[in-house]
Amino acid sequence: DQQVKQNSPSLSVQEGRISILNCDYTNSMFDYFLWYKKYPAEGPTFLISISSIKDKNEDGRFTVFLNKSAKHLSLHIVPSQPGDSAVYFCAASGDTGGFKTIFGAGTRLFVKA
Amino acid sequence: NAGVTQTPKFQVLKTGQSMTLQCAQDMNHEYMSWYRQDPGMGLRLIHYSVGAGITDQGEVPNGYNVSRSTTEDFPLRLLSAAPSQTSVYFCASSYLGRGQRVNTEAFFGQGTRLTVV
Repeated sequence: DQQVKQNSPSLSVQEGRISILNCDYTNSMFDYFLWYKKYPAEGPTFLISISSIKDKNEDGRFTVFLNKSAKHLSLHIVPSQPGDSAVYFCAASGDTGGFKTIFGAGTRLFVKA
Repeated sequence: NAGVTQTPKFQVLKTGQSMTLQCAQDMNHEYMSWYRQDPGMGLRLIHYSVGAGITDQGEVPNGYNVSRSTTEDFPLRLLSAAPSQTSVYFCASSYLGRGQRVNTEAFFGQGTRLTVV
């Protein structure tokens, strides 16, 4: 039972346009959400996070939106750059019984020059 | 500051062999964890630790053991390797946030690519 779902395995976007990556979760006890970026042959690196007390968090070109009622979050990248081409993982943690961060399957983003 | 260091980077095992994947961090993080990454499955939590002497199971713990004798080190042991354990393994560490919660960013190692034949 996947508690964190990223239903789009891949996304292709033109350089300069907006990239929108989506993530859904099922466990209502999740209250902290993170996005990680991963290049091939490297470990994931932290990108941006959001607490459930907020509905938006912005850091430069990256903005994460949280819709608690829909159990949905999205990562917006504006403008997209070729260097943003990577796999993006959504992750969630909360008072779920134990200290666990659960990851989604990832979305591979291609930004075309 | 080396961050999170994993060794080895690559390993080939025969079915039934055992081995230990090493993980060390130099950031004095309380929380350490092991994930495996498989195509289409994302990162799945194997085991985690919230401090020396304290470990617990994640989503897919079967076939793996861990121990945490120091804050810095968190080795992952494969007891009897199986082809289903062919994967890329990542170790991660982080502080525990307010209220001793896992709500801070994690730092990942470079990964160990394991093939079991």
